[in-house]
Amino acid sequence: AQSVAQPEDQVNVAEGNPLTVKCTYSVSGNPYLFWYVQYPNRGLQFLLKYITGDNLVKGSYGFEAEFNKSQTSFHLKKPSALVSDSALYFCAVRPYSSASKIIFGSGTRLSIRP
Amino acid sequence: NAGVTQTPKFRVLKTGQSMTLLCAQDMNHEYMYWYRQDPGMGLRLIHYSVGEGTTAKGEVPDGYNVSRLKKQNFLLGLESAAPSQTSVYFCASSYKRSSYEQYFGPGTRLTVT
Repeated sequence: AQSVAQPEDQVNVAEGNPLTVKCTYSVSGNPYLFWYVQYPNRGLQFLLKYITGDNLVKGSYGFEAEFNKSQTSFHLKKPSALVSDSALYFCAVRPYSSASKIIFGSGTRLSIRP
Repeated sequence: NAGVTQTPKFRVLKTGQSMTLLCAQDMNHEYMYWYRQDPGMGLRLIHYSVGEGTTAKGEVPDGYNVSRLKKQNFLLGLESAAPSQTSVYFCASSYKRSSYEQYFGPGTRLTVT
């Protein structure tokens, strides 16, 4: 079965410090992996994707994610956190069995303190 | 370009009542989706559609029906609402060629008492 796991319900970081939001995956075949962000009272927004190629992928708002095949991880990172980065972050995977849908993780709430 | 819109934004139903949630997109997307979001459970797919006139079940389809009579609209129906259907409902759409990049509406907060 295809799935993603986000082991942390909440991550707290001071503004200006680097941040990491963790995600591990379980897929058959080559993984298609994604990150989405949800700001309060809004729908989700696409941040970035990994399909093939470089293990470090860059996305919107200065975020990047590192694909690690041996550790089956796809952690979201940012070198210097902003208070405005505070939001709910979802990791997602596209099932091998279906190209028309994706499966979301349970979400990690990122809180950046001034 | 309004993107993905959902109506209504909020609704309170009594157990057993019915209602329809409307989703509309103006991006000419082939695919459309309905999700529900519950605390600690992420987003779960209810139903989805890969084209006008076609629908398919997702992860949690029981108690819901959908229709896609026009490419730009995707309706989600609750025939007999139950308290377990209290949730925030999101509609999303995408191009067929990049179905992983979904565009979400603002959500509908539904409470069933």
